[in-house]
Amino acid sequence: QVQLVQSGAEVKKPGASVKVSCKVSGYTLTELSMQWVRQAPGKGLEWMGGFDPEDGDTIYAQKFQGRVTMTEDTSTDTVYMELSRLTYEDTAVYYCATVSMDVWGQGTTVTVSS
Amino acid sequence: DIQMTQSPSSLSASVGDRVTITCRASQSISNYLNWYQQKPGKAPKLLIYAASSLESGVPSRFSGSGSGTDFTLTISSLQPEDFASYYCQQNYDPPLTFGGGTKVEI
Repeated sequence: QVQLVQSGAEVKKPGASVKVSCKVSGYTLTELSMQWVRQAPGKGLEWMGGFDPEDGDTIYAQKFQGRVTMTEDTSTDTVYMELSRLTYEDTAVYYCATVSMDVWGQGTTVTVSS
Repeated sequence: DIQMTQSPSSLSASVGDRVTITCRASQSISNYLNWYQQKPGKAPKLLIYAASSLESGVPSRFSGSGSGTDFTLTISSLQPEDFASYYCQQNYDPPLTFGGGTKVEI
């Protein structure tokens, strides 16, 4: 049974960066591919990017190109999503999920506030 | 990018009602369509994948249909625990876009 456990809430100032982690248990990262989705307060779901098993590469939504980096550490079965140059509009709950979207982390609240 | 248009954005229903939510893609996505349920403060939960396949553990009152550009999620008899928001998502081509969501209320 795959479980994804994300890091805790973050408060950041505009212009800063945030790095959210997502630890996999029940499987190893070599067996899984991951995606990241975010949800602003009161809004819908927004796909940010993830590993594309067909291409064997990580792809990012155009909206986040140049600002987001998704990495993984197979030694600890942890994936990371780093978002830079934060603005108030980046205030959201950030989720990791398996590429098939059948298992999700609990979400990490990122608040951008001066 | 493929645009996903969901309707209605909200609906009021009663326990026992049959509820239908539609999702339209801006281009053909074959059957690369997922449906999710989300309750307040919780992560989304996968209900239906490949347009009509029921995810393990999901009650059979949920069903999905459609292919190409037009898709439907049906709840055959609404239960109290089904009051939530529902989202469609295409996984045909990146970016994997979501519909705007449907809030099912009492």
